[in-house]
Amino acid sequence: DAKTTQPPSMDCAEGRAANLPCNHSTISGNEYVYWYRQIHSQGPQYIIHGLKNNETNEMASLIITEDRKSSTLILPHATLRDTAVYYCIVRSWSGSARQLTFGSGTQLTVLP
Amino acid sequence: EAGVAQSPRYKIIEKRQSVAFWCNPISGHATLYWYQQILGQGPKLLIQFQNNGVVDDSQLPKDRFSAERLKGVDSTLKIQPAKLEDSAVYLCASSSLDREETQYFGPGTRLLVL
Repeated sequence: DAKTTQPPSMDCAEGRAANLPCNHSTISGNEYVYWYRQIHSQGPQYIIHGLKNNETNEMASLIITEDRKSSTLILPHATLRDTAVYYCIVRSWSGSARQLTFGSGTQLTVLP
Repeated sequence: EAGVAQSPRYKIIEKRQSVAFWCNPISGHATLYWYQQILGQGPKLLIQFQNNGVVDDSQLPKDRFSAERLKGVDSTLKIQPAKLEDSAVYLCASSSLDREETQYFGPGTRLLVL
């Protein structure tokens, strides 16, 4: 069963912020939200993760709604190299749910 | 820091043949994963090792797929005999015990079964 819902594709102008939404309405209290991305012909790359507070690192910001039913990954100044498939993953730290379960993700295309 | 190494990068075989993939994880990473990624889909976990022990192989088709990590470092994934539907990219990833939330992926092996 899919735990997250993402739009299949999005476009963003180079230099602008890319805001990638993710719906995870059935998330439980001990589950984290993870984001990975996969550039064409490469393996996935970890971006960021969070539980309930907003998080920021050198790559992106993660905004999680107060009810934790949705989140947004923000790339503040998108470049052409950010063109990739972005995966939003809900992950628990117990039992078989510890594994990363990838959906189909969002294909982000950054346009010049 | 060297990344996860995989070989070969590409492999073409005929159905019913056997094939093996090799992975060398990041030095010091105790946990190693093998994923299968079919075209247009996200990666699917096949097997997870911690050191040389299997943590999770629930999604590994054990009638034809096998994997080992004998000395807790390198790993091999084997398919015997291959089927057409095994055509996919096989990704290896590794993580350290103290930062298991971050998996580092290799470039993958692209397998085509004819």
